[in-house]
Amino acid sequence: QVQLVQSGAEVKKPGASVKVSCKASGYTFTRNAMHWVRQAPGQRLEWMGWINAGNGNTKYSQKFQGRVTITRDTSASTVYMELTSLGSEDTAVYYCARGGDCSGGSCLSKNWFDPWGQGTLVTVSS
Amino acid sequence: EIVLTQSPGTLSLSPGERATLSCRASQSVSSTSLGWYRQKPGQAPRLLIYGASSRATGIPDRFSGTGSGTDFTLTISRLEPEDFAVYYCQQYGTSPFTFGGGTKVEIK
Repeated sequence: QVQLVQSGAEVKKPGASVKVSCKASGYTFTRNAMHWVRQAPGQRLEWMGWINAGNGNTKYSQKFQGRVTITRDTSASTVYMELTSLGSEDTAVYYCARGGDCSGGSCLSKNWFDPWGQGTLVTVSS
Repeated sequence: EIVLTQSPGTLSLSPGERATLSCRASQSVSSTSLGWYRQKPGQAPRLLIYGASSRATGIPDRFSGTGSGTDFTLTISRLEPEDFAVYYCQQYGTSPFTFGGGTKVEIK
C-alpha cells in the first residue's frame, strides 16, 4: 500500500534550520508531486510548497519563499523539506502528502492530498 | 489566494445523527478541485472526498459531498464514534492550495 514515513521530532533554537524527510513506498515515486503542509498548535492546515518528484521542479507558497527548500532523492524515494531562520512561530507539525499525477506535465491532475505522512513535530525554543 | 470559510466552527451532535458541514470559497472553485479531510486528535488528516463528490478509497457511504462554484457541503448521514473529529475542506486546483479553518464535530 502507498505509505509515507517521515523523520522524527526535532527541537531547534531560534535562527537555526531544520530538514525533515519523507520516504515514499508503494507507488512509482517519480510519477507524483509531493506537498508539504504544516499545522501550528490550534491552527488550520497551511500549504508550504510542492515538488514534482519526476523532474524536481518546485513551487513555494509566497509566505515561505526564501526560507523553504524542497528537494528529492529519486534513488531513495525520499523528499526533503528544509526551513531556515526558524522562529517560535515555526513550531508546528509538518506533514508531507502525495499530490497529483505529473505524467501530463502540470501535476494538477488528481492533485488531492492522499496519503499523508504521520507528521513531524518541530519545536523552536531557546 | 482563494480563502475557504467553513461553518459552523463546532457542531455538537449525538451518535447516529446527521451532520452537515459547509465550505464557502472567496471565488469560484472547480468541482474537480475540492476535497474534504477528517483529522482525528493526534493523527494526520485523511482524505474523505475528492472532486467535491467522489469518496476516496475505503471511505464508507455515510459520507457524501455536494456543491459547485463557491458553496460546498459535506454530509455524514449517521455519525459513528470515529466521526467525532475535525473536518477540513481544501481547494487543490489553484496555487497556493488552501484549507478552510475546520469544523469540529463533537459529542453532544
